[in-house]
Formats: sequence, C-alpha cells, structure tokens
Amino acid sequence: AQKITQTQPGMFVQEKEAVTLDCTYDTSDQSYGLFWYKQPSSGEMIFLIYQGSYDEQNATEGRYSLNFQKARKSANLVISASQLGDSAMYFCAMREASGNTPLVFGKGTRLSVIA
Amino acid sequence: DGGITQSPKYLFRKEGQNVTLSCEQNLNHDAMYWYRQDPGQGLRLIYYSQIVNDFQKGDIAEGYSVSREKKESFPLTVTSAQKNPTAFYLCASAVQGLSHEQYFGPGTRLTVT
Repeated sequence: AQKITQTQPGMFVQEKEAVTLDCTYDTSDQSYGLFWYKQPSSGEMIFLIYQGSYDEQNATEGRYSLNFQKARKSANLVISASQLGDSAMYFCAMREASGNTPLVFGKGTRLSVIA
Repeated sequence: DGGITQSPKYLFRKEGQNVTLSCEQNLNHDAMYWYRQDPGQGLRLIYYSQIVNDFQKGDIAEGYSVSREKKESFPLTVTSAQKNPTAFYLCASAVQGLSHEQYFGPGTRLTVT
C-alpha cells in the first residue's frame, strides 16, 4: 500500500532564504505521481508541483522545485527566496499507477516564514 | 468561472442529527473525492467516485454516505453513526490521468455539539 511520510511537523525560515520540506514515500508500483499542495490558514488546497516517476528531470514551477531521488524514494520540495506569504501547511501526496485513484496525503509540514 | 463549490462554509449541528455537505463542480471532471482533515493532520479519504452512479469507500467511510446521481454533484452525508464528526471536510475533483492534480473546493467546517 502506498504511504507518504513527512517527518517535519514544523519549520521556520528567514524571509528570502531557501527551505527544503522533506517527503518520503513507499510504493511497490513502478508508475506513480508525486504532488505538493499548499494550504494557507483559509483552508483551501493549492496545487504547487508535480513529478512523475518516469520523469528524468526534477520538476520546477517558479520558486518551487522538487528534488526527486527515486532510489531513496524521496520527493523533497524546495522553496527558493521565501516570502511571508509562503507561511502555510504543505502536503506531499502521491497517486499510484492508473488514472483516477485518489491522492494519498502525508500529515504535512507547517512552514513559518520570519521577517 | 470553473471550479468547485462547497456549501456552507461553516455548519453547526446537534449530536444525533444527520447532515449533508454539498459539493458541486463545473469542471466536467469524471472523478470526485471527499476528504476529512482534523487539526494538525493530513487529509484522509472518506469516499470517491470515478463515474456517475458509482463510488468506492475510502479509508474512513464508516458513519458516512454519498451519492453520485449527476456528474457535477457529489454530496456527503455525515450520519449519527459517525463517532467524531467535528472536522474540516474537503471535496475535490480530477480528470483522468496519473499526472493530473486534484482540484479542491474551499471546504466545510462542521461542528457537532
């Protein structure tokens, strides 16, 4: 069964610094997708970035990049040049194999950006 | 504007009452999902539906029921059998495909006293 582990309940980062949020996963499938979401205090879930298991390049979206290490089964989110608005909960999630199977989420990391 | 609507944003009920949470999407997505989130916790899957008139139980389906009579709508009923119903409920939808993200509604915060 698929499983996502986020070992950092909370993180602090200085404004304008980079921060890495850890995510490890467990699956027996060869084909899977990894996702990161941001949840501000308002509660909405905002999709940030996607990495497929067969993608050779690490995914990047603006200030977000995904450090994908397949052999270690890790998919860490890197946020560069942190902003105060980055303060939120961040969730790692995965989907195995076929199409519409639901995302399985980790417990999240609360990021606080300090001015 | 395309998106997912959940209503109401806040809902209060007395213990022992059933309550139905609304979820509507106009994204033409086949799949829809219900998650529950407790304070400081991740999202746990309650039910999901990949097609109209079909749905599957998730990890924590006990005490909940759903229906999918229309593609756009996937209401969740929290029954009196649910032991701890107070939580934040999120509805999501998605298109077919491994790489497609789930789109989420704004959520409903249910408080049962």
